[in-house]
Amino acid sequence: GAGVSQTPSNKVTEKGKYVELRCDPISGHTALYWYRQSLGQGPEFLIYFQGTGAADDSGLPNDRFFAVRPEGSVSTLKIQRTERGDSAVYLCASSPSGQREAFFGQGTRLTVV
Amino acid sequence: GENVEQHPSTLSVQEGDSAVIKCTYSDSASNYFPWYKQELGKGPQLIIDIRSNVGEKKDQRIAVTLNKTAKHFSLHITETQPEDSAVYFCAGAGYSTLTFGKGTMLLVSP
Repeated sequence: GAGVSQTPSNKVTEKGKYVELRCDPISGHTALYWYRQSLGQGPEFLIYFQGTGAADDSGLPNDRFFAVRPEGSVSTLKIQRTERGDSAVYLCASSPSGQREAFFGQGTRLTVV
Repeated sequence: GENVEQHPSTLSVQEGDSAVIKCTYSDSASNYFPWYKQELGKGPQLIIDIRSNVGEKKDQRIAVTLNKTAKHFSLHITETQPEDSAVYFCAGAGYSTLTFGKGTMLLVSP
């Protein structure tokens, strides 16, 4: 596709459940980022991939959060034992190699009830 | 780490007026400063950016200025239109990741 695609667009889950959020970056972009945005706030960095490897995961809040990008394209953000405080919009962005212009998807709105 | 402050949090202007949003950053190593526009229910859209070797950049009605000494940068929108209404975010980046401000809600009244 032409832009970054995230699925699902909305996800409602019960507290304690496991969720997976998917990101399809722009074709050819080697850098991929996950951010989290709470209501009325700017996006907060979670993790950055360069190719298949996590170059910086310092933003992951705790060990319930994990992300993979096994083939250097699609990425999945995984959240175990979800808590109500995990409710937010999870944004994915991609960037061409060697540049830092980041292009965002529309986000996945996660609601933990 | 980097800390980005953004002001004002809300800004109301009449159509045709100019709008200015200001940001400051803390990390002198930051050298890339993008601005994003976010409409309700959508992801942030990159509208303009500036690198630290440039003091000003313009794209039609939008301009960004950067003062490295003072560690602040600003977004200027001229001849505002109702479709400019959205939340605008500034950000700063050093090595790779972006640190965002808290956003400015711009409302342009017809």
